[in-house]
Amino acid sequence: EVQLVQSGAEVKKPGESLKISCKGSGYFFSSYWIGWLRQKPGKGLEWMGIVHPGDSDIRYSPSFEGQVTISADKSVSTVYLQWSSLKASDSATYYCARSGYCSGGNCFFYYWGQGTLVTVS
Amino acid sequence: VLTQSPATLSLSPGERATLSCRTSQSVRSCLSWYQQKPGQAPRLLIYDASYRATGIPARFSGSGSGTDFALTISSLEPEDSAVYYCQQRCNGPLTFGGGTKVEIK
Repeated sequence: EVQLVQSGAEVKKPGESLKISCKGSGYFFSSYWIGWLRQKPGKGLEWMGIVHPGDSDIRYSPSFEGQVTISADKSVSTVYLQWSSLKASDSATYYCARSGYCSGGNCFFYYWGQGTLVTVS
Repeated sequence: VLTQSPATLSLSPGERATLSCRTSQSVRSCLSWYQQKPGQAPRLLIYDASYRATGIPARFSGSGSGTDFALTISSLEPEDSAVYYCQQRCNGPLTFGGGTKVEIK
């Protein structure tokens, strides 16, 4: 069974750094892209970026490039999303999601993590 | 840009629901549909315009290509109450529509 398990909820202050994680299991981790998506309360889904754990190819949405860093460690089947200096506007639920078949990061998302709520206040 | 309509759809159980997603430029058949219930992660329903994901009931179907797409729920069940999002993957950055909320009367 494919599973994506995300790290727990975080409460941080503006200016602090944060790294959240997403651990995949039940499939060959290096073979599928994993994306990060943001959802602010009561709002829709926003794609932030995507990483291919096999070769650490990373693509960012123009809206998020320079604002966050995405990385992967295939030795522990985990991808990460990190901020160096959080803002109140970063408060949201963040989802990781594994792709279906795709190339070049142009993916749809077949399996989703449970979400990580980040509160910056 | 992906534009979903209507914003809200209120129908009775057993009725047919048709949700629309229009893109500003052609995305060929590279369009997916997701269902999200309150407090839950989204769930993939349809990928590449018309292919049902594993375990998705047959009452859900997708159609369209180019710039006009539709998600049809042939006979609404109470558990279909949710927000539905479309997403394109073949024209620039991955983007989502704003969502259609389906309410069951």
